[in-house]
Amino acid sequence: GDSVTQMEGPVTLSEEAFLTINCTYTATGYPSLFWYVQYPGEGLQLLLKATKADDKGSNKGFEATYRKETTSFHLEKGSVQVSDSAVYFCALSDPGGGADGLTFGKGTHLIIQP
Amino acid sequence: SAVISQKPSRDICQRGTSLTIQCQVDSQVTMMFWYRQQPGQSLTLIATANQGSEATYESGFVIDKFPISRPNLTFSTLTVSNMSPEDSSIYLCSVGTAVRHEQYFGPGTRLTVT
Repeated sequence: GDSVTQMEGPVTLSEEAFLTINCTYTATGYPSLFWYVQYPGEGLQLLLKATKADDKGSNKGFEATYRKETTSFHLEKGSVQVSDSAVYFCALSDPGGGADGLTFGKGTHLIIQP
Repeated sequence: SAVISQKPSRDICQRGTSLTIQCQVDSQVTMMFWYRQQPGQSLTLIATANQGSEATYESGFVIDKFPISRPNLTFSTLTVSNMSPEDSSIYLCSVGTAVRHEQYFGPGTRLTVT
């Protein structure tokens, strides 16, 4: 079945540091890929997405590129802020594999220190 | 994006009882889903709520334990039946949009079973 593997945290960085959160996937069909973010005390929000190979999703300074050859969708940001502290989930949707719902990774807790 | 509300936002229940969670969307949507997020864990898809027909359950989830209704395109309920402490989780509904496989999530219902 489909699966998503992402680096487990917590990941602690200083403000203005470069961020990479690794995400790799296994899918039967041709999935769409997503990053969701859960800020403290808030609900789950869609951060960015990519629907086909080589697509780059971007939002709020975050970027991720759909790499089919390495089955990866790593999340990056050039300069993180304290307000970026949250839990980040990588996810995929694979209707070709028979499921319309999302398959999530375990989540990465990001802590940004001033 | 659609505005999604859930009731109740939280509840504390006795083991052996049942709780029904409501999900209301402010516009008609084709796809609605129910997920569970156990403490400190990722999200797991419980089922797809189908309008006018029985829900489609994922492996490990059964209708007798998690009956779902979807009477129209804006509303769904999930019942957690014969609860045990292992059912303590956050339960979230999500809706699928016209954009390919993009999903938006409700605020969640935090359930504690004692």
